[in-house]
Amino acid sequence: EAGVTQFPSHSVIEKGQTVTLRCDPISGHDNLYWYRRVMGKEIKFLLHFVKESKQDESGMPNNRFLAERTGGTYSTLKVQPAELEDSGVYFCASSQVRGGQSTDTQYFGPGTRLTVL
Amino acid sequence: AQSVTQLGSHVSVSEGALVLLRCNYSSSVPPYLFWYVQYPNQGLQLLLKYTSAATLVKGINGFEAEFKKSETSFHLTKPSAHMRDAAEYFCAVRVYAGGTSYGKLTFGQGTILTVHP
Repeated sequence: EAGVTQFPSHSVIEKGQTVTLRCDPISGHDNLYWYRRVMGKEIKFLLHFVKESKQDESGMPNNRFLAERTGGTYSTLKVQPAELEDSGVYFCASSQVRGGQSTDTQYFGPGTRLTVL
Repeated sequence: AQSVTQLGSHVSVSEGALVLLRCNYSSSVPPYLFWYVQYPNQGLQLLLKYTSAATLVKGINGFEAEFKKSETSFHLTKPSAHMRDAAEYFCAVRVYAGGTSYGKLTFGQGTILTVHP
């Protein structure tokens, strides 16, 4: 079974540009999470999808960040326009809903390292 | 709101020595607790989890952790370190968010474990 995959693994862009990160969860996982780790800081929650619906987006830093999950499969996270403080590693995780209850293990992807110059 | 504190951003041990990574949490309701490990250039991998069953939890690769409610701690231990244990370790807490969602993870700052020959 394939794990959570993320693309690209690295992205270097200039301030003001747009970047789109993609996450493919484990097949059949309805829960999809985005997290971010800024250098020297802890990993922080950004948002949570259940299928295509946003369950919790309390961690999104501002309206320059837009997450989508059309069709309830893969998800994209767009940053537009990017700022220097957006640099960091963006992780995606997924977990399964089984019998109406979510299992409590989140499986993480390798992350996308974003550098904004 | 819940929080996690990992004492020591860097821990160094000799091969064969005891590994002890400290984690203290704060939560107003009974928490679920997790330890994840990140090896270089890989995603986060679940080591073990506490979900209100046995307080001593055994995980992969010989690691275990003990939930101590009175001390609000969930320290990670391994009796004998191996070179392959060198990685970054993250403690995380999650509170049941209701419905079918088990909600976001709140992470500690991470502890880098170095193992010397």
